[in-house]
Amino acid sequence: QVKLLQSGAALVKPGASVKMSCKASGYTFTDYWVSWVKQSHGKSLEWIGEIYPNSGATNFNEKFKGKATLTVDKSTSTAYMELSRLTSEDSAIYYCSGRWFAYWGQGTLVTVSS
Amino acid sequence: DVVMTQTPVSLSVSLGGQVSISCRSSQSLVHNNGNTYLSWYLQKPGQSPQLLIYKVSNRFSGISDRFSGSGSGTDFTLKISRVEPDDLGVYYCGQGTQYPRTFGGGTKLELK
Repeated sequence: QVKLLQSGAALVKPGASVKMSCKASGYTFTDYWVSWVKQSHGKSLEWIGEIYPNSGATNFNEKFKGKATLTVDKSTSTAYMELSRLTSEDSAIYYCSGRWFAYWGQGTLVTVSS
Repeated sequence: DVVMTQTPVSLSVSLGGQVSISCRSSQSLVHNNGNTYLSWYLQKPGQSPQLLIYKVSNRFSGISDRFSGSGSGTDFTLKISRVEPDDLGVYYCGQGTQYPRTFGGGTKLELK
């Protein structure tokens, strides 16, 4: 069956960067866009951007340009998101989602604290 | 950006009852290709969102026919009939017609 397995929780200092992963299985990874979605505590869902694994093409929410970098490793069917210059506002759960939001990872909790 | 407005914010229901959730978009969700990319998701406590309905009224694989979606243009509705305990959580609508993709604020379904 389709699975998106995300990397574990991260505790990072303000100003630092964090890179998280999303490993896909059960479908042809290169055929579908992978989206990343932010959910701050108790809040709604916010789309960060998406990447097309076959070409590496990306689309971003303007709000996250310069904050998020999306990459993929086709050889391992893994998508990555790096968040830079972290502040407390970046503390949230981050989800990857594939196949037009049909499948979601379990989420990666990022906590930004000194 | 397309703003998605959900009402109500919360809803109390008795088991076996029926509820409706409304989702209104600030712009038409009809894509140039004629499709309307409006989806509904359920996020159960402590879990990731799960897709229930896509393109307004299509149930995703394995989703009960107790869930039905309808609407067009800018106004959409999710109906849940014969509510079961496993239906409780927060429901979100989301649009995939325009960039950036956007989601509604959520509707929390609780037991009365």
